[in-house]
This record gives sequence, structure tokens and C-alpha cells, in this order.
Amino acid sequence: DGGITQSPKYLFRKEGQNVTLSCEQNLNHDAMYWYRQDPGQGLRLIYYSQIVNDFQKGDIAEGYSVSREKKESFPLTVTSAQKNPTAFYLCASRGTDENTEAFFGQGTRLTVV
Amino acid sequence: AQKITQTQPGMFVQEKEAVTLDCTYDTSDQSYGLFWYKQPSSGEMIFLIYQGSYDEQNATEGRYSLNFQKARKSANLVISASQLGDSAMYFCAMRERFGNEKLTFGTGTRLTIIP
Repeated sequence: DGGITQSPKYLFRKEGQNVTLSCEQNLNHDAMYWYRQDPGQGLRLIYYSQIVNDFQKGDIAEGYSVSREKKESFPLTVTSAQKNPTAFYLCASRGTDENTEAFFGQGTRLTVV
Repeated sequence: AQKITQTQPGMFVQEKEAVTLDCTYDTSDQSYGLFWYKQPSSGEMIFLIYQGSYDEQNATEGRYSLNFQKARKSANLVISASQLGDSAMYFCAMRERFGNEKLTFGTGTRLTIIP
């Protein structure tokens, strides 16, 4: 089945450690996105990529890094520089047709202790 | 400045009534798209409806319709005959082409349907 997969679903890390969240899609989509969602809040854009080997900062990129070496994959690293990393992280992908909606993964809930 | 504004943090609606969720947006792009998503308590994001900036007619998808007023930069979601399963968070989003396909979401509205 075509879709977008995020792993793991739950992730616990100690403060000060970097952690990488996986996002893979087999929808042949060019655009991919990472969002952060805090409890009861909206989705804030961290990074997005329109094409392989290119990506742009979103609204809250500080403390995060990404790579886009393959069309299918867009991993997000939460670095120790991110002051408050505990959150729900959603990855999405989208085709380039104007009216194409974004498809989302199931999300990764990151807890830093 | 907020690109997408949803001014209703929460709404309570009686079952079977219609409900309108507000969304206003800000862009200088001429070509853009507006989306609505539903997020149940499970956390998944469910696409509901799309409206393109050049679409002359309001979009409809089953019980969902989008009241698009371009001059006012508003794209309100209308849910007709609400059901208990409609209880969820609802997000408005905008795609801007000149932002390299940036897709920005609002803060959401929590809709609760009362039996």
C-alpha cells in the first residue's frame, strides 16, 4: 500500500542527546514537510523540501536539522540545541499538482527526560 | 504575522445542526490553495476539502463545503448535519507557490458535538 511511514511511534531520550526521526514515503511525492504539534496546539512548520538535495527552513527551524538525499526519505534530527523538544512530530508529503492534498504519517511522540 | 488565522479555539454544537469553522489567511501570492484537515484524538490528519485560489465555485465534499470569499481572504468550512464522529480538531492550511510550496497551518478549532 502507498503511504507515508514515521518511526518510531514513541521515542524517549535524555536531555542533551540528539535524536533522529524517520519519515519514508512511497507515493512518489516531490514535496515533504516536518511539523511540530504541542498539546492542544496547531501544526508549526519546521522544515520542508520541494526536491531532493534541497530544503527550506520553516517557521521554527532552530534546533532542528534535516536531509533529503533520497526522494523517499526526509529524516528530522532534533538536536541538543532545541530547548523544548518534547512534542508530537508529524511528517507529510505532497505531489506537485496544485490541488493535491498533503498525506500525513501517524506521527512520532518524542519525550525528552 | 500569522498566515492562517482560526479565531475559534473551541466550539460546541448540537448533533444534526450545521456548523461553520472560520479561517482567514494572508498571502501576496496569486496562486495558492486552501485545505481543511480533521484531527481526531488518535492524532491522524484526515484531509477534508480543497479550494484553489482560481476556483470560481465553492468546493464541496459530501457534508463538507468551503465558503470561499477571496476578497475577504476567508475560507470557512461548513459541516452540515453534524454527527458525533465530527468531534475533533479542525485545521485550515494554505499552500503558497512562491514559498516553494510552503504549506502552513492555523492553530485549529476544537469542535465538540453534543448529543
